[in-house]
Amino acid sequence: DVKVTQSSRYLVKRTGEKVFLECVQDMDHENMFWYRQDPGLGLRLIYFSYDVKMKEKGDIPEGYSVSREKKERFSLILESASTNQTSMYLCASSPTNQETQYFGPGTRLLVL
Amino acid sequence: QQPVQSPQAVILREGEDAVINCSSSKALYSVHWYRQKHGEAPVFLMILLKGGEQKGHDKISASFNEKKQQSSLYLTASQLSYSGTYFCGTERGSGTYKYIFGTGTRLKVLA
Repeated sequence: DVKVTQSSRYLVKRTGEKVFLECVQDMDHENMFWYRQDPGLGLRLIYFSYDVKMKEKGDIPEGYSVSREKKERFSLILESASTNQTSMYLCASSPTNQETQYFGPGTRLLVL
Repeated sequence: QQPVQSPQAVILREGEDAVINCSSSKALYSVHWYRQKHGEAPVFLMILLKGGEQKGHDKISASFNEKKQQSSLYLTASQLSYSGTYFCGTERGSGTYKYIFGTGTRLKVLA
């Protein structure tokens, strides 16, 4: 079974802090994604990566950056956390651009 | 543009049926459906392809209406285990990344 793990289930940070969310997949998938999940807005794509060191902006990249130094690991970085970044963050991976995505359990981030 | 799902939320009793719709502003070629149970990761349910094919997963089936640019998910004789949030994923039509997810539908099945 594909396994996607995220570094934390819950995280509390202060406004202005730099926040790192890490995601690891164990199936050698090319593509990895970071989503933000908010009530009524569904899953919105922040960034995705189709190869090591390759990344593309999604629909809501403002305030976020990403890093993919190794194929299995994709990090989401909040350079200076703000209260409007309080949300559930989901990581996913897929073998190709068109195939099923496998999601991690999510990180619920609260920014105070 | 993000596909719109309706209803936003629905409450059912066990054994009742439900329909969740996913409407896109763009022509559809395929639709993915996912379910996320409370506190868990979203899990893939099924994919529908152009041509109106209806696919099934247990007592959950879906249809695809190209003309209406819509897909519908049918939950028959709901079980408690069906509770969760359902997402559709449709094609963007442009860009490197192919899919965009819908707004989600929260479904609660009561005993």
